[in-house]
Amino acid sequence: KQEVTQIPAALSVPEGENLVLNCSFTDSAIYNLQWFRQDPGKGLTSLLLIQSSQREQTSGRLNASLDKSSGRSTLYIAASQPGDSATYLCAGNSGGGADGLTFGKGTHLIIQP
Amino acid sequence: GAVVSQHPSRVICKSGTSVKIECRSLDFQATTMFWYRQFPKKSLMLMATSNEGSKATYEQGVEKDKFLINHASLTLSTLTVTSAHPEDSSFYICSAGGGGDQPQHFGDGTRLSIL
Repeated sequence: KQEVTQIPAALSVPEGENLVLNCSFTDSAIYNLQWFRQDPGKGLTSLLLIQSSQREQTSGRLNASLDKSSGRSTLYIAASQPGDSATYLCAGNSGGGADGLTFGKGTHLIIQP
Repeated sequence: GAVVSQHPSRVICKSGTSVKIECRSLDFQATTMFWYRQFPKKSLMLMATSNEGSKATYEQGVEKDKFLINHASLTLSTLTVTSAHPEDSSFYICSAGGGGDQPQHFGDGTRLSIL
């Protein structure tokens, strides 16, 4: 059964810093990996999807990488802003992408103005 | 982009009440939708896979008679929490899409509080 772990559980940094959030998973047969953002009391916003054949995706200041052999994904946030404060979740699935997602517990990020 | 609408966003009701939550894909058809639950300070956990026109598939430990799922059309899945009790209080959220190399899109969730 897939297990997803996210480190650190919480992170507080000054505005402007570049930072890396880590995600590890136990089953290398993961198909897709998605990074989400969740604001308090809200639903999920999809940030990046790394498809099965890809190793990296970029969107604006965000860059996510996936290394299936080591069971790791990282989310890189450049030039962090207070509006980036949220909980960041990584999740993966299998079954050719048709299965539900297995989530990590998230990294609670605070960007200090 | 793909939009998933979930309703209601918040429910507060008495113990023993049954509560229905709707999940709609607004601009695309979804043969499969997923229902997740999130307890405070915990991760989202997959509860069940909702399949259009057939029975839902439940994850281990999720009572199918407690959490009734109906997926009668390609744009609507409903989750009914039957005879809800305080321990059912949680954040319930649905997703649609996925399959192959497509992302899953999530609704805004429903916060259920059982008194």
